[in-house]
Amino acid sequence: QPQLQESGPGLVKSSETLSLTCSVSDDSITNDKYYWGWIRQPPGKGLEYIGSIHHSRSTFYSQSLRSRVSMALDTSENKFSLKLTSVTAADTAVYYCARHYNRPSNYFDHWGQGTLVTVSA
Amino acid sequence: QSALTQPASVSGSPGQSITISCTGSSSDIGSYNFVSWYQHRPGEAPKLIIFDVNSRPSGISNRFFGSKSGSTASLTISGLQSEDEADYYCTSYTSSTFHVLFGGGTKLTVL
Repeated sequence: QPQLQESGPGLVKSSETLSLTCSVSDDSITNDKYYWGWIRQPPGKGLEYIGSIHHSRSTFYSQSLRSRVSMALDTSENKFSLKLTSVTAADTAVYYCARHYNRPSNYFDHWGQGTLVTVSA
Repeated sequence: QSALTQPASVSGSPGQSITISCTGSSSDIGSYNFVSWYQHRPGEAPKLIIFDVNSRPSGISNRFFGSKSGSTASLTISGLQSEDEADYYCTSYTSSTFHVLFGGGTKLTVL
């Protein structure tokens, strides 16, 4: 069973860039079957899809966040990352990384524990 | 694009069955059998419990049953147990640029 673990700063200043990394073990991010995705949950709200990336560098980004989101892979470290620019208080959330199966179908079968990111003024 | 629509809350007594609905459109649930459901307990990672409308991952109890009719998917939990108390989310593939749509989530309370 793959294990995923998010890491990164828990506090980001408003207007700056949020950067998170997801370390993957017991699977390879170059596994052709899967994308690797990010989902977030603002306090008191539901889950929100951010985007996914494949080792072919194919990406899917949420329409609402597309202009501020980028994702990348580090195959040497078996990690993938998320960058979200120009953050505001609305970006305060628990951020989850997950393995994303969508060829075909569409589901996230393994998730990290999540990491809380707070955007301060 | 709007999220999929779920009831905010449902409740049931131990041993009973409950159903959570997830309503979409012809661009998502109505056209694709790529509906999945997640159980999310506070402080834990979300857990996949149903994929492809009605398939269960290994290790998931057969008390969880998924179905779909038109643009509405449903999750039925039978023989309710206290451990089932959690938030439940549906997702679907969408032909719009979102690619993945989440429902707003439903809080299940076991009375």
